[in-house]
Amino acid sequence: RKEVEQDPGPFNVPEGATVAFNCTYSNSASQSFFWYRQDCRKEPKLLMSVYSSGNEDGRFTAQLNRASQYISLLIRDSKLSDSATYLCVVNGDDKIIFGKGTRLHILP
Amino acid sequence: SQTIHQWPATLVQPVGSPLSLECTVEGTSNPNLYWYRQAAGRGLQLLFYSVGIGQISSEVPQNLSASRPQDRQFILSSKKLLLSDSGFYLCAWSGNGVLMEQYFGPGTRLTVT
Repeated sequence: RKEVEQDPGPFNVPEGATVAFNCTYSNSASQSFFWYRQDCRKEPKLLMSVYSSGNEDGRFTAQLNRASQYISLLIRDSKLSDSATYLCVVNGDDKIIFGKGTRLHILP
Repeated sequence: SQTIHQWPATLVQPVGSPLSLECTVEGTSNPNLYWYRQAAGRGLQLLFYSVGIGQISSEVPQNLSASRPQDRQFILSSKKLLLSDSGFYLCAWSGNGVLMEQYFGPGTRLTVT
């Protein structure tokens, strides 16, 4: 099993729809979880941290399921500007590991 | 607030030439520093990380090296570039500890010809 695994997509979603991504991780001892966003030919930017209790930031909701070892990102009322690649990040034994990302295209 | 700078933004170099990419961080002290490479259409590959001046850990054997001559300066170098060194090079910083989120610089897009 890969350390961090994401569906590469692309997800083609109409504007205004809700979209959800999952990310699975292999290290049951992992403690830190993040979602990053990367626009084409740009650097990744921190979108949100993922806490055990889940957290919400506007249209974005992140959740952690330790039992099944996955984290999720939900985007509600999607905007054209949400089009990007979303990277799942999990800490390993002594370093942070980035998933390869899920590409999202919001269609007008 | 903290900022991270990288230069140059783009670089085209011939095979066999040397390389020096620089990264500096402002607004924080004793950060952890990281160099990543992202090949076209691929994920991020951690190359080096540093927890302090002169302390460098290498993740992948290759013809690249890194140095941290000052607390907030991180340099990526090569004596002789290979075609396979082409990619998007990203520097990042974080607070101390592996549980901290990382913040990325704008990156350097390197093309080796």
